[in-house]
Amino acid sequence: NAGVTQTPKFRILKIGQSMTLQCAQDMNHNYMYWYRQDPGMGLKLIYYSVGAGITDKGEVPNGYNVSRSTTEDFPLRLELAAPSQTSVYFCASSSSLAGGPTGSGELFFGEGSRLTVL
Amino acid sequence: AQSVTQPDIHITVSEGASLELRCNYSYGATPYLFWYVQSPGQGLQLLLKYFSGDTLVQGIKGFEAEFKRSQSSFNLRKPSVHWSDAAEYFCAAEREQAGTALIFGKGTTLSVSS
Repeated sequence: NAGVTQTPKFRILKIGQSMTLQCAQDMNHNYMYWYRQDPGMGLKLIYYSVGAGITDKGEVPNGYNVSRSTTEDFPLRLELAAPSQTSVYFCASSSSLAGGPTGSGELFFGEGSRLTVL
Repeated sequence: AQSVTQPDIHITVSEGASLELRCNYSYGATPYLFWYVQSPGQGLQLLLKYFSGDTLVQGIKGFEAEFKRSQSSFNLRKPSVHWSDAAEYFCAAEREQAGTALIFGKGTTLSVSS
């Protein structure tokens, strides 16, 4: 089982460049998430999606954009990259919302994409 | 403000010794609580979760956690640590804006000495 697949695994960008981090899941999950992980800071939610065509902001959305045209794919776009966006990015998916009365709580994570902006 | 706090940044435990990782939450009501583990270079994996009912929950890999409402805590425990348990551990909780993903603590790195 592939699960959640992220590409690329590593990337170096120059300030002002743009790029897209790809995320695909093959578990037919409706819910998908993008987190960033910085040393000593845990994971911060950037954007999430509850289904194709529906996205919403998380805690730290500035400088990022997302789209969800299919159930499987949830790309994260960085426009005008800045050094503050140097981080490890994780995509995750779940079969139900992570919380709430019907939430399963289990997020399935990709292996991460390490981005450096110089 | 809503928060999940892991007071210990780094813990070292001898192999075979017991382990307790601390987690405190700040919420208006009892949240749904989780522990995840991250091995080096990997994504996160769910260890266990608490929704309601029995306050002692069992997870994978021999871990358990106890929810204590009076202390706003959800500490993770293991009776005997193995070298393969060395990893980073994250406590997480449902966002108060219900159903909109999880918020995570800053993590505790566990080292296991022989």
